[in-house]
Amino acid sequence: KAGVTQTPRYLIKTRGQQVTLSCSPISGHRSVSWYQQTPGQGLQFLFEYFSETQRNKGNFPGRFSGRQFSNSRSEMNVSTLELGDSALYLCASGIQGKGETQYFGPGTRLLVL
Amino acid sequence: GDSVTQMEGPVTLSEEAFLTINCTYTATGYPSLFWYVQYPGEGLQLLLKATKADDKGSNKGFEATYRKETTSFHLEKGSVQVSDSAVYFCALSAGGTSYGKLTFGQGTILTVHP
Repeated sequence: KAGVTQTPRYLIKTRGQQVTLSCSPISGHRSVSWYQQTPGQGLQFLFEYFSETQRNKGNFPGRFSGRQFSNSRSEMNVSTLELGDSALYLCASGIQGKGETQYFGPGTRLLVL
Repeated sequence: GDSVTQMEGPVTLSEEAFLTINCTYTATGYPSLFWYVQYPGEGLQLLLKATKADDKGSNKGFEATYRKETTSFHLEKGSVQVSDSAVYFCALSAGGTSYGKLTFGQGTILTVHP
């Protein structure tokens, strides 16, 4: 089975722009979660989607949003980028998102200048 | 809320040394516990997991036992290799309505010298 894939792998943006990141889960997995990883804050949960519905959300501002499509692929969007949004964004998929193992993609490294 | 605390790093060892990375947690209910490993420039890979008290997870020579009485899930390996150099994360999943959420420790950088 193919693993979790994320595109693009690297991205450079400037402050004020917006960005969209994409994640394709493992086939058969319906839960997709997003995390932000930074040296200062570590790994922080952004949100989780299941069957096109957001079921859980972390403590991030409304500039961070996401969606999930009927084929379980997910996108996250960050509007009005700030320097502090520079991070590695990781996507993870699970069968149901109810405490079972999550499998991570390689991440998208975003640099905001 | 839920939290995970890992031992302060980084950890530097010689090849074939014994490894312990401490992990303790705070959670309501009965969480599932995980160890993930991250190599440079990559995402997280599942190393091992345990879903209930006294379960022992094991993989590639690494082991960890779910200790409810001490709320701990310490990672051990009897003889480390240079290829084990990476960042190790302890994590919990509270289940219930915490859909899809893993709570991570701060990570421990392990460097193994030949």
